[in-house]
Amino acid sequence: DIQMTQSSSSFSVSLGDRVTITCKASEDIYNRLAWYQQKPGNAPRLLISGATSLETGVPSRFSGSGSGKDYTLSITSLQTEDVATYYCQQYWSTYTFGGGTKLEIK
Amino acid sequence: QIQLVQSGPELKKPGETVKISCKASGYTFTDYSMHWVKQAPGKGLKWMGWINTETGEPTYADDFKGRFAFSLETSASTAYLQINNLKNEDTATYFCARSLRLYYAMDYWGQGTSVTVSS
Repeated sequence: DIQMTQSSSSFSVSLGDRVTITCKASEDIYNRLAWYQQKPGNAPRLLISGATSLETGVPSRFSGSGSGKDYTLSITSLQTEDVATYYCQQYWSTYTFGGGTKLEIK
Repeated sequence: QIQLVQSGPELKKPGETVKISCKASGYTFTDYSMHWVKQAPGKGLKWMGWINTETGEPTYADDFKGRFAFSLETSASTAYLQINNLKNEDTATYFCARSLRLYYAMDYWGQGTSVTVSS
């Protein structure tokens, strides 16, 4: 099974910061990588699929990059509503989620 | 608009059975696969498996073989998750989510159903 590792389980950020969240697969997943945002008490929301494709309605301050085993979610100029937990997910071979990265305000 | 609406919270005793529903609307039910995802309290997301809404064939992730069953009522655009012989470790929120087909991202999710197993 493919394992997904998000190197940081949480970190503190300031409003307006540029934030980068990383995700590493245990093998090449050929850009079959999605990013989800989850706020407390809510279902996950799909932000990005195919490693780089922004879903309709997702603010353009979110972007995804990467290839092979290494992927990144970036948020330029963090807003209050972006405080959440972010999960990566591979869907090259069944499905696996990363452990999540929780953003907190300093 | 596209919606996945799940049934309400459940409180069960160990050894009992629970059946959660996920009613889809706003799209053709059989055009999309349905997945189930577990989230234990304070923990991350775990994919449980999926059901082919055209054929009704379920596929379970390794950790969810045996006591778990996915089913459909296609005429009602509804998917079900049944958990038999409940254990304390089944306490979690369970989400349904759709994808265009297998090996696509999950673009719409249900609101989640909380299941608490306690004696």
